[in-house]
Amino acid sequence: EVRLVESGGGLAQPGGSLRLSCAASGFSFNSYEMHWVRQAPGKGLEWVSYISTSDTVIYYADSVRGRFTISRDNAKNSLYLHMESLRVEDSAVYYCAREGTEMVRTFDLWGQGTLVTVSS
Amino acid sequence: SFELTQPPSVSVSPGQTASITCSGDKLEHKFASWYQQRPGQSPVLVIYQDTKRPSRIPERFSGSNSANTATLTISGTQSLDEAAYYCLAWDSNTAVFGGGTKLTVL
Repeated sequence: EVRLVESGGGLAQPGGSLRLSCAASGFSFNSYEMHWVRQAPGKGLEWVSYISTSDTVIYYADSVRGRFTISRDNAKNSLYLHMESLRVEDSAVYYCAREGTEMVRTFDLWGQGTLVTVSS
Repeated sequence: SFELTQPPSVSVSPGQTASITCSGDKLEHKFASWYQQRPGQSPVLVIYQDTKRPSRIPERFSGSNSANTATLTISGTQSLDEAAYYCLAWDSNTAVFGGGTKLTVL
C-alpha cells in the first residue's frame, strides 16, 4: 500500500525543539520530491518546506526559515522536519506530502498528519 | 507577496452544480491544483494542472483557469462532496494555498 505516516508530534514549550518524521512505503521514495504542510487548529493549509530527491535543493516558507530544517534519508525511506525556537503560532497538524512526478508542483499523496502543540 | 483568494463558503443543493473560485495575480500563467479535505481527514488531490483529474476522482469534478481566476466545478453535487476545498499555486519557489472554501450541500 502506498502511504506516508508521520510521527514525532507532541507538546513542546515556546523556544523548544521537536523533530518530526515521515515514513514512506509502497513507492520509490528516492524518486519523489517531498514537502511539509501544516494546518493550525480550525485554519487553512500552509506550505512549510520542500526538499528535492537528493536533498540538493531545499526551500522554506518565510514563517519558518532559519528555525526549521527539512531533511531526508532515502535509505530509510524517511523525511524529517527538525523544528527549533518553536513559537505558539507553530501549533498545527503537520502533514508530509509527496509531489507527483508527472503532476509537477502538485501534492498527490498526503500522510495522516501529526499534531504539534507549542504551549507553556 | 502572492496571495490566493477564495470565498469562505459556498452552498449548493444536491444534484446541482457548485463552483468554487480562486483568484490571484496572473494566476492564469501558473498551474492551479485543488484539494478536498473532509472534517478530520487529510487533504486529497482532486484537480491538478488546472484541468486534469486523478484517475480515482469522479468525473463530476472539473477545473479551469483563466483571467486571474481558477475555478473548481462540481457537477451533480452529492452530500459526500461536502468538505473544505483549497486551491494551490506556486509563486517562484513558494507554494501558496488559498484560504479554503467550505462547501455545504443542503
